Amino acid sequence: AQSVTQLDSQVPVFEEAPVELRCNYSSSVSVYLFWYVQYPNQGLQLLLKYLSGSTLVKGINGFEAEFNKSQTSFHLRKPSVHISDTAEYFCAVTRGGADGLTFGKGTHLIIQP
Amino acid sequence: ETGVTQSPTHLIKTRGQQVTLRCSSQSGHNTVSWYQQALGQGPQFIFQYYREEENGRGNFPPRFSGLQFPNYSSELNVNALELDDSALYLCASSSGTGIGYTFGSGTRLTVV
Repeated sequence: AQSVTQLDSQVPVFEEAPVELRCNYSSSVSVYLFWYVQYPNQGLQLLLKYLSGSTLVKGINGFEAEFNKSQTSFHLRKPSVHISDTAEYFCAVTRGGADGLTFGKGTHLIIQP
Repeated sequence: ETGVTQSPTHLIKTRGQQVTLRCSSQSGHNTVSWYQQALGQGPQFIFQYYREEENGRGNFPPRFSGLQFPNYSSELNVNALELDDSALYLCASSSGTGIGYTFGSGTRLTVV
């Protein structure tokens, strides 16, 4: 079975500053990796995913993430955040096929003006 | 192209009752999975249906059951509701490969 650890439950950042949300995973087999964003009272929206190939993945809204197999990490970054980025961010993994997504507990990104 | 739609958006049930939640998959998607998200937590995988058969299940008791219909829409049924079943229930669809999931906005279930 796999697991996901999001090291920070809350990350406060000033507007226009860079941000990194950390995600580490544990799995005995190869996995696919995802970052989702959840705005209040809404479902999950896919930001980006790593399936194979280049370890640097670019997503929507200016976000990117880097897959590091040796450190089993998949940290999410954005060079300059906006107030509208305030939301809950979830990292998730799956082996694919019939295996569902395993989510971390989430990181609440708080953008301060 | 329509996304994933779930109904109802909110409902309140009494402990011991049964509930059915519904989900319409995104066009072209033949796999649907359900997740439970308790307040302040990440979603937890309940089960997945592919071509009308359950082909994956998380750590949930048998009172959580489901159906997938020929048009790939789906139902989640929960029997003998408990207070801890209060959560946001999310449906996600994918194109069968299980590596591209589109989520609906969820159904907020409150058990009193």
